[in-house]
Amino acid sequence: QKEVEQNSGPLSVPEGAIASLNCTYSDRGSQSFFWYRQYSGKSPELIMSIYSNGDKEDGRFTAQLNKASQYVSLLIRDSQPSDSATYLCAVKAPGNQFYFGTGTSLTVIP
Amino acid sequence: EADIYQTPRYLVIGTGKKITLECSQTMGHDKMYWYQQDPGMELHLIHYSYGVNSTEKGDLSSESTVSRIRTEHFPLTLESARPSHTSQYLCASSDHGQVTEAFFGQGTRLTVV
Repeated sequence: QKEVEQNSGPLSVPEGAIASLNCTYSDRGSQSFFWYRQYSGKSPELIMSIYSNGDKEDGRFTAQLNKASQYVSLLIRDSQPSDSATYLCAVKAPGNQFYFGTGTSLTVIP
Repeated sequence: EADIYQTPRYLVIGTGKKITLECSQTMGHDKMYWYQQDPGMELHLIHYSYGVNSTEKGDLSSESTVSRIRTEHFPLTLESARPSHTSQYLCASSDHGQVTEAFFGQGTRLTVV
């Protein structure tokens, strides 16, 4: 079983819609959870971090964490073509090791 | 400006050559990581370091080696490059503490011909 599981997609949404990305993790001791965006040929860049159960909003992005279900999600509201990228879910395990999912490819259709 | 730098950005090299990929960060982070990523594929951890003189192998078997003589510098060396080493190599760093994120360099795209 992988430490972090993501649906690889591809996920396509029309411009202006809500994109929903999901991630599950296996280590119950994990405390920190991150969403990175990676454009083709570029390095990952952090867009959201979340540490407590519930929702965290930043602009058009909302991260949701449910530690009991070991589930993290990212919602992108009012999706724009510039949001088209691969989104990586990352979990920081108790030993300070980062585990990354395989990424979900998102395409926003104008 | 605090940042993490990788050089070179692109490298095309012949089989059998020795190469060193450079990674430096100015954020004073203790932890540094090397990942390998093929196009459209997942990140694979190949080496990490939790401080000076500390290096560990990651989940993906790699023929590369690393060193950490200074906090800010974490170079990766391939003694004899092969076409199977063609990939993108990403360096990252993070501060100590459970809640700190990883910051990535721009990456080095290596092609071995």
